[in-house]
Amino acid sequence: SQTIHQWPATLVQPVGSPLSLECTVEGTSNPNLYWYRQAAGRGLQLLFYSIGIDQISSEVPQNLSASRPQDRQFILSSKKLLLSDSGFYLCAWSVRSGGAGTQYFGPGTRLTVL
Amino acid sequence: GENVEQHPSTLSVQEGDSAVIKCTYSDSASNYFPWYKQELGKRPQLIIDIRSNVGEKKDQRIAVTLNKTAKHFSLHITETQPEDSAVYFCALRSGAGSYQLTFGKGTKLSVIP
Repeated sequence: SQTIHQWPATLVQPVGSPLSLECTVEGTSNPNLYWYRQAAGRGLQLLFYSIGIDQISSEVPQNLSASRPQDRQFILSSKKLLLSDSGFYLCAWSVRSGGAGTQYFGPGTRLTVL
Repeated sequence: GENVEQHPSTLSVQEGDSAVIKCTYSDSASNYFPWYKQELGKRPQLIIDIRSNVGEKKDQRIAVTLNKTAKHFSLHITETQPEDSAVYFCALRSGAGSYQLTFGKGTKLSVIP
């Protein structure tokens, strides 16, 4: 069966510091991968999605970037965090082709920027 | 892009009563409609989904109905229990070639014992 991991689970960072969040998927090949952010009490904001290595689409212009160094690894980064970057960051995966489009979420990383 | 309107934003029901959450959309090419449940501090989890070639799907106390003509789909929870308290998100995929899901803004359901 498929499993999705995220780390760290929680993170407290000062404004202006860098960020690196990691997501890995097990038990499937060639997944579509997604990064979402959820502000407290709010909905899901799609940040990036990737349909393959070196194929990453950005949905919202901001100080975040994403990379996919391996097929089942997705990384979210920032060079300088802002207070507004605080939130719950969720990675998700879906079947590349032939599937309905169901997305399965990782456990999330709760980021607090102080 | 596609927009999904979800109502109500909050819903309180007595334990044992039914709850209904409705989502409307505009793109007739939308072909897949999942519902997610998110408990406090946890990840969203898929609870039920429906494809555009089906009008209704049921799984124990949970059901989803789809009206393609009117472009809306609804989540029905019967015999609600306190553990049903959570935020529920509807979503849809706009066509077979889309890689993305568009999510509603969520409904906070509170089941009062």
